[in-house]
Amino acid sequence: AQSVTQLGSHVSVSEGALVLLRCNYSSSVPPYLFWYVQYPNQGLQLLLKYTTGATLVKGINGFEAEFKKSETSFHLTKPSAHMSDAAEYFCAVNTDKLIFGTGTRLQVFP
Amino acid sequence: NAGVTQTPKFRILKIGQSMTLQCAQDMNHNYMYWYRQDPGMGLKLIYYSVGAGITDKGEVPNGYNVSRSTTEDFPLRLELAAPSQTSVYFCASSYSAGGGGDTQYFGPGTRLTVL
Repeated sequence: AQSVTQLGSHVSVSEGALVLLRCNYSSSVPPYLFWYVQYPNQGLQLLLKYTTGATLVKGINGFEAEFKKSETSFHLTKPSAHMSDAAEYFCAVNTDKLIFGTGTRLQVFP
Repeated sequence: NAGVTQTPKFRILKIGQSMTLQCAQDMNHNYMYWYRQDPGMGLKLIYYSVGAGITDKGEVPNGYNVSRSTTEDFPLRLELAAPSQTSVYFCASSYSAGGGGDTQYFGPGTRLTVL
């Protein structure tokens, strides 16, 4: 069975600092991996996804994630946080159905 | 394109009442989904549909029913509302199979409170 673990339900960074949101997955077959972002009182929006090919995936708003099969990880990073990045971020894995992690709320302080 | 639309945005129900959450998409997607989101729990799949006339249960289907008579619409029915159904409900759609790398597009959600 597939599953997703997001380490840290809350992450706080200062504006301009590195953002690192952690995601580990479990899957018996090669996974498709996603990061979604949810701004307050809105639906989920795709940030980026890994299907096949290049393991470093670039997404919207300067975010990127690297698929590391040996570590079963798909961590999300952004070199310099902006106040507008404050949101909840969900990692998800899809082999049969889309399975979501429990989410990480990112706070950005000025 | 409007994408995925949901109505209503908010609703308060009394225990035992019934209601239908509406979902529509204008992207000609075959696949549609209903999720519920509870604090700290991520999103859980309630029901999904692979095309008009075909629906199947997800992870948490109890207390809900769905139908899909057209490609565009996928309503979710709550027959006897219970406090445990207080949640935010999201509808989503995708073009192709759930087991692939296709993106799911989400509606803005319906916030339901059952008192």
